[in-house]
Amino acid sequence: EPEVTQTPSHQVTQMGQEVILRCVPISNHLYFYWYRQILGQKVEFLVSFYNNEISEKSEIFDDQFSVERPDGSNFTLKIRSTKLEDSAMYFCASRADRFLGTQYFGPGTRLLVL
Amino acid sequence: QKEVEQNSGPLSVPEGAIASLNCTYSDRGSQSFFWYRQYSGKSPELIMSIYSNGDKEDGRFTAQLNKASQYVSLLIRDSQPSDSATYLCAVNGENTDKLIFGTGTRLQVFP
Repeated sequence: EPEVTQTPSHQVTQMGQEVILRCVPISNHLYFYWYRQILGQKVEFLVSFYNNEISEKSEIFDDQFSVERPDGSNFTLKIRSTKLEDSAMYFCASRADRFLGTQYFGPGTRLLVL
Repeated sequence: QKEVEQNSGPLSVPEGAIASLNCTYSDRGSQSFFWYRQYSGKSPELIMSIYSNGDKEDGRFTAQLNKASQYVSLLIRDSQPSDSATYLCAVNGENTDKLIFGTGTRLQVFP
C-alpha cells in the first residue's frame, strides 16, 4: 500500500540553525501539506501546496518557513533560523483530491531545537 | 477562528463495550469530516471519513454526522485494548483544503 515517507525521523539542531525536513508524498497525489504538533497539543496546519505554489498558509508559517518540490517527488519544509518554540513533530500529508478524500500522513519528523 | 472541540478524556471503557467519542465544529460550511487515531509519538492514522448526514459504518466503527447540530461522533463497538489511543476529529472547512483538528479524546480500554 502506498504511503507518505519522511526523513529524518529525528533531528536535533541548535537555535538559529537551518533545518530541512523531507517528505515523499504518495505518487499520484497532487496536494501536499505540512502540519506540526507541539508535544501535548493539537495538530496544527502550516501550509498547503499545489502545482508548485503555496495554496494556503497559517499564521505560524512566517518568513522563516519555506516549502518547495525540488524534483517532482520530494516535498521539503525549510526552517531558516530555528527557534526553541519550533520544537515539535512535523507531519507531511498528501491527498489526491483537494476537497474530498483523505489526507494521508507520513510518520513525522521530531524536531528538537536546543 | 474556526474551531473543533473534543472532550480530552480520558474515556475509560471495559473490553467489549461501546466507546462513544464526540466532536463539535464551528464552521457551518464544513464539507468533510474525519476521525484519525493517534498512538503516542506516532502520526495520525485515518479511521473513518464522512461527508453527508447520517451514519457510516466500517467494521467495528460507525461515524455519525449531523450538520444541523454541527456534530460528529465515532462509535467503536466491541472495544479492544489495542483501541487505546487518542482519537482526533478533523474537519475540512468551506473553500479550504486544510484540516482543522480537535485536541483529541484519549480512549483507554481496560481488560
